[in-house]
Amino acid sequence: GQSLEQPSEVTAVEGAIVQINCTYQTSGFYGLSWYQQHDGGAPTFLSYNALDGLEETGRFSSFLSRSDSYGYLLLQELQMKDSASYFCAVLTYNTNAGKSTFGDGTTLTVKP
Amino acid sequence: DTGVSQDPRHKITKRGQNVTFRCDPISEHNRLYWYRQTLGQGPEFLTYFQNEAQLEKSRLLSDRFSAERPKGSFSTLEIQRTEQGDSAMYLCASSLGASVTDTQYFGPGTRLTVL
Repeated sequence: GQSLEQPSEVTAVEGAIVQINCTYQTSGFYGLSWYQQHDGGAPTFLSYNALDGLEETGRFSSFLSRSDSYGYLLLQELQMKDSASYFCAVLTYNTNAGKSTFGDGTTLTVKP
Repeated sequence: DTGVSQDPRHKITKRGQNVTFRCDPISEHNRLYWYRQTLGQGPEFLTYFQNEAQLEKSRLLSDRFSAERPKGSFSTLEIQRTEQGDSAMYLCASSLGASVTDTQYFGPGTRLTVL
């Protein structure tokens, strides 16, 4: 089966940089995704890494090391609206398409 | 609004009753996924469809759960003889289906409360 570990909570101040780590154990690994979910809202896609290295999308960057089964989400210039839960999800390839298995999420609280 | 829609948004039912949820994916999206999410946890995969074919079911999906996507468009998830442990948010997501790595777009979810 698959297992993912990420910190349950992270707190940071506005304007700071925060890194949310994710380690995983899985077979059939294809890639690592990150999703954001505000309270009461639906998960929204942030980024995806299939290859080792850093992917940058505006204030958010995501990193993957396949050999270490490790990735992280980096949020820069934190804003209050970034307070949300962040989930890493491994994409595994079985049968005809990929299936995503999510971690339990990291609750980010941004303080003024 | 051309996003994924789900109906109803909230459902309260008594234990033992049957419930059915509907998901309308983004138009032209071939893949449709169902997840269940409980408080403090990430979405748990239940099942997914490629067009009208149900390609994979999680072991979480007991015999009381059934999902259909009869014409490859909308999908329904039925839970028979509901139990209190079924209380959760049921999320639907869709993706284009052009490759393994298609982005999944989630709907707002149906929150089920079983009394």
